[in-house]
Amino acid sequence: QVQLVQSGAEVKKPGASVKVSCKASGYTFTSYGISWVRQAPGQGLEWMGWISAYNGNTNYAQKLQGRVTMTTDTSTSTAYMELRSLRSDDTAVYYCARAPPQGYFDYWGQGTLVTVSS
Amino acid sequence: EIVMTQSPATLSVSPGERATLSCRASQSVSSNLAWYQQKPGQAPRLLIYGASTRATGIPARFSGSGSGTEFTLTISSLQSEDFAVYYCQQYNNWRTWTFGQGTKVEIK
Repeated sequence: QVQLVQSGAEVKKPGASVKVSCKASGYTFTSYGISWVRQAPGQGLEWMGWISAYNGNTNYAQKLQGRVTMTTDTSTSTAYMELRSLRSDDTAVYYCARAPPQGYFDYWGQGTLVTVSS
Repeated sequence: EIVMTQSPATLSVSPGERATLSCRASQSVSSNLAWYQQKPGQAPRLLIYGASTRATGIPARFSGSGSGTEFTLTISSLQSEDFAVYYCQQYNNWRTWTFGQGTKVEIK
C-alpha cells in the first residue's frame, strides 16, 4: 500500500534552517511528483511547492521563492523540503503529498510539526 | 494566482441531514478541482477529484459537481464521522495549486 512517512517534529530558532524528509513506499517513486503543503496552527492549507521525482524539476510558491528547496533521492525513494531563514510565522505542520500527473494529491504523509521559537 | 473561495465558513448540520458546501474560483479551472476532508490532528484525505470523481474508498454519500468557476460538494446524509473541515483545491494552473480557506461542518 502507498505510504509516505515523514521525519519527526523539530524545534528551531529564528534564522535557522529545517529539513524535513518524506519516505515513500508502495509505488514507483519516479512516476509521481511530490508536493509540500503546510498548515499553521488553526489555519488552512498552504501549498508550498512541487518536485518531479522523475527529473527533479521544481515549482515553488512565489512567497517562498529563495527560502525553500525541494529535492529527492531516488535511491531511497525519499523527498526532502528545506526551509531557510525561519521566522515565527513558519511554525506549522508540514505535509508531503503524492501528486499524480493529473494534479490532485492522492496520498499524504502524517505531517511534521516545525516550531520556530527563540 | 487563482483564488479559491469557500462558503460558508461553518455549516451546522444535524446527523442524517444533507450538507452542501460551495467553492468558487476567481477564474475558470475547468474540472480540475479536488475536495479534501481533514479531521483534527490528521492529514487531509482526498475525497473528490476531477470535480465529480470519488477517490478510492470514498462512500457514495459524497458527491461533487460543477465546472468552470462554481463547484459543490454534497454529503447526502451526514454521519458522525463526516464532521470535519473540507477544503477545495484547484490544479488547473500547471504545477501551481491553491486551496480554499475551508468549510467546517459541525454538529447542530
